[in-house]
Amino acid sequence: AAGVIQSPRHLIKEKRETATLKCYPIPRHDTVYWYQQGPGQDPQFLISFYEKMQSDKGSIPDRFSAQQFSDYHSELNMSSLELGDSALYFCASSSGTGVETQYFGPGTRLLVL
Amino acid sequence: QKEVEQDPGPLSVPEGAIVSLNCTYSNSAFQYFMWYRQYSRKGPELLMYTYSSGNKEDGRFTAQVDKSSKYISLFIRDSQPSDSATYLCAMKGSNFGNEKLTFGTGTRLTIIP
Repeated sequence: AAGVIQSPRHLIKEKRETATLKCYPIPRHDTVYWYQQGPGQDPQFLISFYEKMQSDKGSIPDRFSAQQFSDYHSELNMSSLELGDSALYFCASSSGTGVETQYFGPGTRLLVL
Repeated sequence: QKEVEQDPGPLSVPEGAIVSLNCTYSNSAFQYFMWYRQYSRKGPELLMYTYSSGNKEDGRFTAQVDKSSKYISLFIRDSQPSDSATYLCAMKGSNFGNEKLTFGTGTRLTIIP
């Protein structure tokens, strides 16, 4: 079965640079979620979109923004990168909103030097 | 105090043993309960989900929820070396616009052949 696709899988950036992470949900899924997982930490919710509209917002820094496009893929834009932004960034998708089944992608590992 | 508490382990058991993984929570708004399995450097994989008190069985896995005690468990029967991973419990509310999954810190499990 098709899964959530994330690109790139690995990314190395310098401090103060920008990064764009992409997420392609499972076919026919209309909701995407972004999570950040620091080393040895549990995933922390950043933001979610349903039908191209923001549906919920968590602890997403103001330096980050995200959107969902008409084909339901989503992009997380990160500016003025800091060392503390180094983490695994997961995208998850689901069919509909308010459901319990969020399916996670393989993640993008971001390293900020 | 975290909303979801999970024994971080590590937990090592011999192959074939029954494994019990547990989480407690404090937020009464949590109505959906999930268990994810995460292999090293991979995305969380949804194992089981439920929204009612009681037991739910799927193959070698049984999820148990006790809402009155705010306690959930995952049992793994006939454990296999391939079950070695970090297991994360996750929960969310059911109200519209609350998409955030709140995770436990994860229990690292090793099945010894």
